[in-house]
Amino acid sequence: DAGVIQSPRHEVTEMGQEVTLRCKPISGHDYLFWYRQTMMRGLELLIYFNNNVPIDDSGMPEDRFSAKMPNASFSTLKIQPSEPRDSAVYFCASSLQGYGYTFGSGTRLTVV
Amino acid sequence: GESVGLHLPTLSVQEGDNSIINCAYSNSASDYFIWYKQESGKGPQFIIDIRSNMDKRQGQRVTVLLNKTVKHLSLQIAATQPGDSAVYFCAEIYNQGGKLIFGQGTELSVKP
Repeated sequence: DAGVIQSPRHEVTEMGQEVTLRCKPISGHDYLFWYRQTMMRGLELLIYFNNNVPIDDSGMPEDRFSAKMPNASFSTLKIQPSEPRDSAVYFCASSLQGYGYTFGSGTRLTVV
Repeated sequence: GESVGLHLPTLSVQEGDNSIINCAYSNSASDYFIWYKQESGKGPQFIIDIRSNMDKRQGQRVTVLLNKTVKHLSLQIAATQPGDSAVYFCAEIYNQGGKLIFGQGTELSVKP
């Protein structure tokens, strides 16, 4: 298995622009998680899905953030409009029935 | 005001020595715990896990100990190698398939 695949690996955008981060979970996994990592706050859970349904989005910082999972093999995290304080590394992870949480390599987002 | 980043605890050991990394978790109802290793520029990598009905679990060169009485978790690495240098995170889960919440991490530095 190729593991959790995230794209792009790096993204540099201007403040105010829309940013879309993508994730392909491990095939067969039924949970998908989005995390953000910063020096200030460490690893924070933003949102997670079970069987493509959002279960808990209490970690999403603002309405500027939205996440979707249209099918079992794809999820997006969108920031619109982006701000410099959104600069961070965003990780996607997936698991099967609550075990084997596996992380992708992350997307490093820089908003200038 | 000026932003202050997380100050990660640091453990420095000599190559070949044993390392012990400690973690205090927050939720007494957490029932599943995972240790992750994160190298610079990479996503968290699964090392070992333990369920709350166990107090010890061993893997290859690693042992996790769980003390539910004081909500403490430790990771022991035998014969530490330079390749073990990384940031180590403990993570807890309350109810299977639920949120995976990370601790702040410990930076392990191995001196050759």
